Amino acid sequence: QKEVEQNSGPLSVPEGAIASLNCTYSDRGSQSFFWYRQYSGKSPELIMFIYSNGDKEDGRFTAQLNKASQYVSLLIRDSQPSDSATYLCAVNVPGGKLIFGQGTELSVKP
Amino acid sequence: ETGVTQTPRHLVMGMTNKKSLKCEQHLGHNAMYWYKQSAKKPLELMFVYNFKEQTENNSVPSRFSPECPNSSHLFLHLHTLQPEDSALYLCASSRGVSYTEAFFGQGTRLTVV
Repeated sequence: QKEVEQNSGPLSVPEGAIASLNCTYSDRGSQSFFWYRQYSGKSPELIMFIYSNGDKEDGRFTAQLNKASQYVSLLIRDSQPSDSATYLCAVNVPGGKLIFGQGTELSVKP
Repeated sequence: ETGVTQTPRHLVMGMTNKKSLKCEQHLGHNAMYWYKQSAKKPLELMFVYNFKEQTENNSVPSRFSPECPNSSHLFLHLHTLQPEDSALYLCASSRGVSYTEAFFGQGTRLTVV
């Protein structure tokens, strides 16, 4: 079982819609969770982090964490073509390693 | 600009060459990381340094040799690489190894010929 799993996509949504990106992780001891955005040919850019169960909102982005289900998600409201990128879920597992999923490619169509 | 700078941005090297990648962070962080990103594969953690001490070597071949002289600088020394080592090599730093977000440099695109 992979430590961090994401649907590789591509996920295609129309402009203005809500994009929903999902991630599951295997280590129940994990305590911190991150979403990165990576444009083609660029390095990953941190967009959200969440430590506690529930929702965390930052502008058009909402991170959701459910530790009982070992599930973390990212919602992007009012999606824009500039949001088209690969979104990486990362989990800080016990021992201090930051482990990444394979990423979900998001395409926002005008 | 994330405060993490990598040089060079692009590198082409032969299989018999020796080269080094450099990473410098200006964030006052204590932990630094090397990741490898190959096409269509997840980021692979290679090495972790915390307060200059190596805390993780993720079964990386010895042709990759890291060096961390202080908390602000990290090197990756390369020798006798293989074509399959061609990838984007990313450096990152964080305040600590647990619970804190990591910031990435721009990466070095390495091609082994």
